[in-house]
Amino acid sequence: LAKTTQPISMDSYEGQEVNITCSHNNIATNDYITWYQQFPSQGPRFIIQGYKTKVTNEVASLFIPADRKSSTLSLPRVSLSDTAVYYCLVGNNSGYSTLTFGKGTMLLVSP
Amino acid sequence: DAGVIQSPRHEVTEMGQEVTLRCKPISGHDYLFWYRQTMMRGLELLIYFNNNVPIDDSGMPEDRFSAKMPNASFSTLKIQPSEPRDSAVYFCASSRDSATNEKLFFGSGTQLSVL
Repeated sequence: LAKTTQPISMDSYEGQEVNITCSHNNIATNDYITWYQQFPSQGPRFIIQGYKTKVTNEVASLFIPADRKSSTLSLPRVSLSDTAVYYCLVGNNSGYSTLTFGKGTMLLVSP
Repeated sequence: DAGVIQSPRHEVTEMGQEVTLRCKPISGHDYLFWYRQTMMRGLELLIYFNNNVPIDDSGMPEDRFSAKMPNASFSTLKIQPSEPRDSAVYFCASSRDSATNEKLFFGSGTQLSVL
């Protein structure tokens, strides 16, 4: 069961790039890394998923080193609306029971 | 698609009363999940279904909690009798079956307050 560790909170200012790192030292060979975003009073929303190297979409980039023991979610030029909790999950389709959200990282973006 | 629909949005009840939360997953999704979120414990998986069949209910707190999925478009989470410590936000989510951890689509949640 791959456990993840991420910072409890981070602060940033509008226009800056934010990098949130997640550690998952015992990630399994068939595990994927998935990030979700949650705004207050809403359910989590999928942001990005990757297996290795780099993945980019219209919202964020995900960097995964060769050993896959960590991953970094990169948010370019954040705005106030990016203030949210970000969750890093590690798992595969062998069982969703292992897909635990944890406490996430609370990102606060200030003007 | 309207996304995952949950009702009610808010529920306030008294201790000992029965509470029923409802969920309509996205059409075509094979998996349905019930989560509970509190400040202390974060987001916890309670139970999930695959093709209407419960796969893992090990996260269900106790016998007071029960979940059903009578068909592919509807699920309920029932608490009987309810207790103040059940106060939380309950989320329903659904996903398709795939080779990877297909992304979960969450509803807006039900804010439950048990007085």
